[in-house]
Amino acid sequence: AQTVTQSQPEMSVQEAETVTLSCTYDTSESDYYLFWYKQPPSRQMILVIRQEAYKQQNATENRFSVNFQKAAKSFSLKISDSQLGDAAMYFCAYRSALINSNYQLIWGAGTKLIIKP
Amino acid sequence: DTGVSQDPRHKITKRGQNVTFRCDPISEHNRLYWYRQTLGQGPEFLTYFQNEAQLEKSRLLSDRFSAERPKGSFSTLEIQRTEQGDSAMYLCASSFTAGPYQETQYFGPGTRLLVL
Repeated sequence: AQTVTQSQPEMSVQEAETVTLSCTYDTSESDYYLFWYKQPPSRQMILVIRQEAYKQQNATENRFSVNFQKAAKSFSLKISDSQLGDAAMYFCAYRSALINSNYQLIWGAGTKLIIKP
Repeated sequence: DTGVSQDPRHKITKRGQNVTFRCDPISEHNRLYWYRQTLGQGPEFLTYFQNEAQLEKSRLLSDRFSAERPKGSFSTLEIQRTEQGDSAMYLCASSFTAGPYQETQYFGPGTRLLVL
């Protein structure tokens, strides 16, 4: 069974600085998808960035980028120029690419990101 | 608003009562998912539908939990004989079944359930 681990329960960063959130996962599959979701205090889960395992190029979305290390099963999220609106719980999630999977997302426990003004 | 919607947003009930939650997915999405999230944890998968077919329900937490999507559009999640341990946030998500972003699930705001 696949698992996702986020080892940092909480991180803090000064506004405008850069922060990296860690995520590791365990799987025997070779093709899958990885995601970072953000859940602000209002609680709606919002997609931040997605990565397809068969693509070697790291995904980027504006100030958000990932460092995907497939062999190490590591998928970290870098947030550049942190803003107060980035404060939220960040969840790392895994989804199998197998056609006969149930398409469920498997989630880490989350990292609470605090932005210091 | 064309996002996923859920109703109600909050529900307080007494132990032993039945509750039903509704989810309206993004209109073009064929797949619909239910998750449960307890405080301080990541979501936990419960079930999913492709159109009106419930293709995975073994993860429903007990036989008190059931879900339907009768016409392949909105879905309902029912919990019978609620227990205090059912208190949680219930999240609904939807996605395409094909295309370049079919693996991405979009979430609703959730229904927070409190069982007294």
